[in-house]
Order: sequence, then structure tokens, then C-alpha cells
Amino acid sequence: GAGVSQSPRYKVAKRGQDVALRCDPISGHVSLFWYQQALGQGPEFLTYFQNEAQLDKSGLPSDRFFAERPEGSVSTLKIQRTQQEDSAVYLCASRGGAGNTIYFGEGSWLTVV
Amino acid sequence: RKEVEQDPGPFNVPEGATVAFNCTYSNSASQSFFWYRQDCRKEPKLLMSVYSSGNEDGRFTAQLNRASQYISLLIRDSKLSDSATYLCVVNIGGSYIPTFGRGTSLIVHP
Repeated sequence: GAGVSQSPRYKVAKRGQDVALRCDPISGHVSLFWYQQALGQGPEFLTYFQNEAQLDKSGLPSDRFFAERPEGSVSTLKIQRTQQEDSAVYLCASRGGAGNTIYFGEGSWLTVV
Repeated sequence: RKEVEQDPGPFNVPEGATVAFNCTYSNSASQSFFWYRQDCRKEPKLLMSVYSSGNEDGRFTAQLNRASQYISLLIRDSKLSDSATYLCVVNIGGSYIPTFGRGTSLIVHP
């Protein structure tokens, strides 16, 4: 596609519910990143994929967070047993070619009630 | 201490003013630097990369000071449409992972 696509755009989850957030990167982009952005803060790194390999997951805040990219294209970020502190915007970004520029999707806005 | 630090502002300036933001980074081995712009409730978008020799794009000038480990963004002749949050981004050390500052809020008023 033309840009990074994320779904759902908005999700309201009850505390304790599991959620899955999808990211479809720019076609052909090898690198994929997930970031979490709280209100008034910059994006915080969660995890990084190169093709299907998860090369860095040091930013995942707990073992309730899990990400995968099984075929090196679409990625899913899963949050189990959601807590109120998980409420944030989850941004996916991809990077390809020789440049260092990353391109973001519009984000998935998660509210845990 | 955070790896990338920015003054959150807000910077409140009149139209036509010149405004500058700085951003400091902790790792002297960092190689890639960027400024992103984020509008309210939107995703960050690349404003400009920052090169060692400094670079200019219209009213925007970015500079890198490796000795003092900071990058700067200068906006001349501010427009109302420049109102946004400006995010400093650094690939810390030799990492391929972009690290973001918390952003600096700019408000341009008539």
C-alpha cells in the first residue's frame, strides 16, 4: 500500500480483556517498529523486526505484551489482560531502502476502562 | 537521565517570529539525527534529517553540534500552521532504532 496502515484505529477494552493491534507496513519495507505514546510524551520504543525476525523487544513493558511478524510483512501487537496503564496510542512504523527515515501509521488509540 | 532530552515548552510566539529548539543526546557515538513534526492527534511525520554540515529547507534550518551533543531546529518567519509538537529523533550509538525525545510544543499566535 501507499502508507503504513493500522487497525483498529480506536479500541476500548475492559480491564482484563486481550487486544490485538494490526500493522500493515509499506510494501517491501524490511524494518518494522512498534512504539507506545502516552499523552504529552514522545513515542517510546517497544519492539523492532527485521523481516520476520524480532531483533529487539527490550521496550515491551511486561510479559503481557507480545508482538509477531510471521511472514515478514504484517505485524500484530498483542496485549493480554489489559490494564488501565496500557491506555495509549500504539504507533507502528516501517523503514526500507537505503535511508534511515521511518514512516508511521496513524496509530491505534487504546483506552482501557 | 533520558537518552534524548527536549524542553517540552510550550513556546508561544507571534507570527513572523524566529524560534529555535535544542535537543541533547547522551551517546557521543550516535550517527543519525532527525526532526519530526506531530500535529495534535496525528502520527509523527519527518520534517527533516540533520546532517553534520547543517542543512536548510525553506524556513527551517537544522544543525548538529557533536562536541556538545545537541541538535537544533530554527524556524524563521513563523506561520500559524507551524503550530505543532517537534520531536527530536536520534539513533543512539550504533543502533538502528530511532529514539524519540518527548517533543517541544510550539504555538504560533496571530
